[in-house]
Amino acid sequence: EAQVTQNPRYLITVTGKKLTVTCSQNMNHEYMSWYRQDPGLGLRQIYYSMNVEVTDKGDVPEGYKVSRKEKRNFPLILESPSPNQTSLYFCASGTGFSDYGYTFGSGTRLTVV
Amino acid sequence: AQSVSQHNHHVILSEAASLELGCNYSYGGTVNLFWYVQYPGQHLQLLLKYFSGDPLVKGIKGFEAEFIKSKFSFNLRKPSVQWSDTAEYFCAVIPYSSASKIIFGSGTRLSIRP
Repeated sequence: EAQVTQNPRYLITVTGKKLTVTCSQNMNHEYMSWYRQDPGLGLRQIYYSMNVEVTDKGDVPEGYKVSRKEKRNFPLILESPSPNQTSLYFCASGTGFSDYGYTFGSGTRLTVV
Repeated sequence: AQSVSQHNHHVILSEAASLELGCNYSYGGTVNLFWYVQYPGQHLQLLLKYFSGDPLVKGIKGFEAEFIKSKFSFNLRKPSVQWSDTAEYFCAVIPYSSASKIIFGSGTRLSIRP
């Protein structure tokens, strides 16, 4: 089954404790991206990657890092999480062609206390 | 700046009522347009998309949307809603020239009274 898998689904952590949210896709998509969803703000792009070893900032990259060492994986890293990073995070993948749209993961609800 | 506006933040309807959710975008070039649905506690799923041809597109679950280029609009419609349509709906735009940039609206929460 074609899918984007995120882990964990839920995470509660403390300020400053490094964490990684994993994202993996099995569709051989070149394009992957991370979004955060906050009430009233919709989805905002954090980082995206057009291919292995190619990443770029989205609209709200501060406080986040990503890596793309393999085509299927695109982890999101919070080196020193802060409470304002409490949010719902989605990973997405796509072909890179604008008429495809994207396939989204199930989301990771992160709470930073 | 490129943007997508969804004017209705929360819509409440009774079952069998007709639905229209507004979406306007701001972008000077050619775009592809999408509606996504997010059921409670779930991820975003593609409802329908437009990239060329007939401006009236039909999606899953009886939804349709009409692209009106002159108005920069892509409104979502359904003739008769069901309780199971309770969800959040997001309009999105991808510029033809830049598939890395999907721009989402802020979403419209739809609540259906049984």
